[in-house]
Amino acid sequence: GQNIDQPTEMTATEGAIVQINCTYQTSGFNGLFWYQQHAGEAPTFLSYNVLDGLEEKGRFSSFLSRSKGYSYLLLKELQMKDSASYLCAVATGGSYIPTFGRGTSLIVHP
Amino acid sequence: KAGVTQTPRYLIKTRGQQVTLSCSPISGHRSVSWYQQTPGQGLQFLFEYFSETQRNKGNFPGRFSGRQFSNSRSEMNVSTLELGDSALYLCASSLSGTNTGELFFGEGSRLTVL
Repeated sequence: GQNIDQPTEMTATEGAIVQINCTYQTSGFNGLFWYQQHAGEAPTFLSYNVLDGLEEKGRFSSFLSRSKGYSYLLLKELQMKDSASYLCAVATGGSYIPTFGRGTSLIVHP
Repeated sequence: KAGVTQTPRYLIKTRGQQVTLSCSPISGHRSVSWYQQTPGQGLQFLFEYFSETQRNKGNFPGRFSGRQFSNSRSEMNVSTLELGDSALYLCASSLSGTNTGELFFGEGSRLTVL
């Protein structure tokens, strides 16, 4: 199976930068996803990394190191609306269906 | 275009009963996946259907089952409900479930078992 670890909770200040780490142990890696989920809402797709390196998309960036089994999601210029749960997920084996970590609850305060 | 639609949004059942949840994917999406979300375990994969066939299955007991119809709509059924089945059940669709990456989630069906 897969083992995906990410911090349970993080806090940050509006306007700051925060990095949410995710480590995984798996075989047959097919890609790593990040999803955002606001309380009471559906998860929404943020990023997909299958090759090593940094992918930038506006205020959000995602990094992957396959050899280290490590990824991070970087959020810049934090806004109050960024308070949400951030889910790291890994697809493995012959399937592209992701297995999710338990999520990191990010609280942004003024 | 319309998103993923799940019904019902909320339901309350008692132990031993059974429940059927429905999911209508985004038009043109052929892959439908089901997840169970609880505070303690997070999002756990139940199963995935593609072209009316179960293509992937998670580690849930046989009480959890599903199916997909020719129009890609999907249902999941839980029989002999237990208290631990109380959770948010999320359905997600994608074009083909391949490395396009993105799953589109519905708002979920929140099941409470008393």
